[in-house]
Amino acid sequence: EAQVTQNPRYLITVTGKKLTVTCSQNMNHEYMSWYRQDPGLGLRQIYYSMNVEVTDKGDVPEGYKVSRKEKRNFPLILESPSPNQTSLYFCASVKTSQGGLYEQYFGPGTRLTVT
Amino acid sequence: DAKTTQPPSMDCAEGRAANLPCNHSTISGNEYVYWYRQIHSQGPQYIIHGLKNNETNEMASLIITEDRKSSTLILPHATLRDTAVYYCIVRPRTLIQGAQKLVFGQGTRLTINP
Repeated sequence: EAQVTQNPRYLITVTGKKLTVTCSQNMNHEYMSWYRQDPGLGLRQIYYSMNVEVTDKGDVPEGYKVSRKEKRNFPLILESPSPNQTSLYFCASVKTSQGGLYEQYFGPGTRLTVT
Repeated sequence: DAKTTQPPSMDCAEGRAANLPCNHSTISGNEYVYWYRQIHSQGPQYIIHGLKNNETNEMASLIITEDRKSSTLILPHATLRDTAVYYCIVRPRTLIQGAQKLVFGQGTRLTINP
């Protein structure tokens, strides 16, 4: 089954304690993204990756890092989490073909609380 | 990306057709209309997309006006599981940097009533 998986699904942590949210897709997609969703602000892109070892900042990259060492995985790293990073996070991968973009597939989400 | 306007909420009876409108009067020639939905706190789910012709798949139909300034998503036989927030998005389809970013507006909260 084609899917995007994220782990953990729920996480409560404390300020300053480094954490990683993993994302994996089994569709061989080149494009992957991380979004955060906050009430009243909609979905905002944090980072994206166009292929292995190619990443770039989205609209709200401060406080986050990513890596893309292999096509299927795109982890999101919070080196020193702060309470304003409490949010619902989604990973997505994008199907492409012959120069065109198709639909995005989203993971189930990770609800992060930083105290 | 072109701005879209959707009603904030709609209700529909179970088993009836749900028609969700979207205005995108500033859409440009290379931009497609995409529809996604998000069931409470789950990941957004792709529904359908189109350029200028009407489209249909197993989930829904998309009707785009001839001038492309508005569209309607149709769920032909709505069920309780269709209760969700529906997002209409317009964006180019070409592989330009950052083009894969989806800009979600506030969407339409569709409630299917038994």
